[in-house]
Amino acid sequence: NAGVTQTPKFQVLKTGQSMTLQCAQDMNHEYMSWYRQDPGMGLRLIHYSVGAGITDQGEVPNGYNVSRSTTEDFPLRLLSAAPSQTSVYFCASSTLQGLSEKLFFGSGTQLSVL
Amino acid sequence: GENVEQHPSTLSVQEGDSAVIKCTYSDSASNYFPWYKQELGKGPQLIIDIRSNVGEKKDQRIAVTLNKTAKHFSLHITETQPEDSAVYFCAASIKLSFGAGTTVTVRA
Repeated sequence: NAGVTQTPKFQVLKTGQSMTLQCAQDMNHEYMSWYRQDPGMGLRLIHYSVGAGITDQGEVPNGYNVSRSTTEDFPLRLLSAAPSQTSVYFCASSTLQGLSEKLFFGSGTQLSVL
Repeated sequence: GENVEQHPSTLSVQEGDSAVIKCTYSDSASNYFPWYKQELGKGPQLIIDIRSNVGEKKDQRIAVTLNKTAKHFSLHITETQPEDSAVYFCAASIKLSFGAGTTVTVRA
């Protein structure tokens, strides 16, 4: 099993550009989530999903959109990138209990917005 | 919402010594407390977790203790080795709020 796969690993955007960070898992996990990691601030939850067709906001959702059309995929969209969105982004998945079970993380996407 | 504070932010220990990282949380309804280790360039990986009905849990050289009354929990690493050098994150449910992380450096 590949686990949680994120693409791309690195991305540079100009302010105002849009892009989608891809996340896929092959463990049949119901729960998927996106975090951003900034120095001194740990991991902050952006959006999460408890199953196909269901998404909800986390701690820092502004500027990001998500959708969950399949169990396997959970893309994160930046509609109009801003320098404040420069960060490392991690996708994670877990069983349905999600919030009280082991999270499996991808290897991250390092995003720079100029 | 849940607020998790983690201390210290950096920790340097001599190989073979012990390392202790402490976290406090605010939501008394939290019932799950995992610890994640992040090596350079990788995503975090779960190393140990504890639930609210248990006060202590051990796994070889690592242990976690939980004090629900005081709302704090700690990670203990004994006989530290160079491969323990990493960033460690604590977290607390309900929405898995993470601490800011502790960078641990083990000096050979």
